[in-house]
Amino acid sequence: SAVISQKPSRDICQRGTSLTIQCQVDSQVTMMFWYRQQPGQSLTLIATANQGSEATYESGFVIDKFPISRPNLTFSTLTVSNMSPEDSSIYLCGIRTLMNYGYTFGSGTRLTVV
Amino acid sequence: GQQLNQSPQSMFIQEGEDVSMNCTSSSIFNTWLWYKQDPGEGPVLLIALYKAGELTSNGRLTAQFGITRKDSFLNISASIPSDVGIYFCAGQDEGTYKYIFGTGTRLKVLA
Repeated sequence: SAVISQKPSRDICQRGTSLTIQCQVDSQVTMMFWYRQQPGQSLTLIATANQGSEATYESGFVIDKFPISRPNLTFSTLTVSNMSPEDSSIYLCGIRTLMNYGYTFGSGTRLTVV
Repeated sequence: GQQLNQSPQSMFIQEGEDVSMNCTSSSIFNTWLWYKQDPGEGPVLLIALYKAGELTSNGRLTAQFGITRKDSFLNISASIPSDVGIYFCAGQDEGTYKYIFGTGTRLKVLA
């Protein structure tokens, strides 16, 4: 199965700053997914990143706050902009696993905003 | 956003005991997934279910796709300390094909 590398694994950031999270897959994939997991909560889809087109955002998430890049079929970035403490969460990238139609996730980025 | 109701929210059990948890929805799903998340890690897929009534095992884990397509169950037999973690169900929405995750069941095993 595909291996997903996500970095940084964790970071502590000052409010008002931005953080870019990178997701690298060891094989080519059409769609990559970005999820947020707030403390003690479940996973919520932020957006779907397709190569060669703009990301598709879910309700409640906007491009200005969470810009996404997808320069090729193995890489994507998610930026959390103008951070506030409410953005403190685990951010996960995922891909669809063709074998069983499930998702494979990276190990996540644990973000703390102070 | 929409979430699946998962129960129990948390549970403490003795090592060796069997564990049951379930996931329910008001919507019909065409695929159910069960994940486990260890601290500091991303969720790892345990079992995938594709049709109503399907019963699938993965070692000590058994999951079932409910007949109504609105629920799913996960059972863990003879629990061991490494079963500790958060278990999430996920259902694929029939209309949008997007996966919606459950609220999670936090499992703690007492040795």
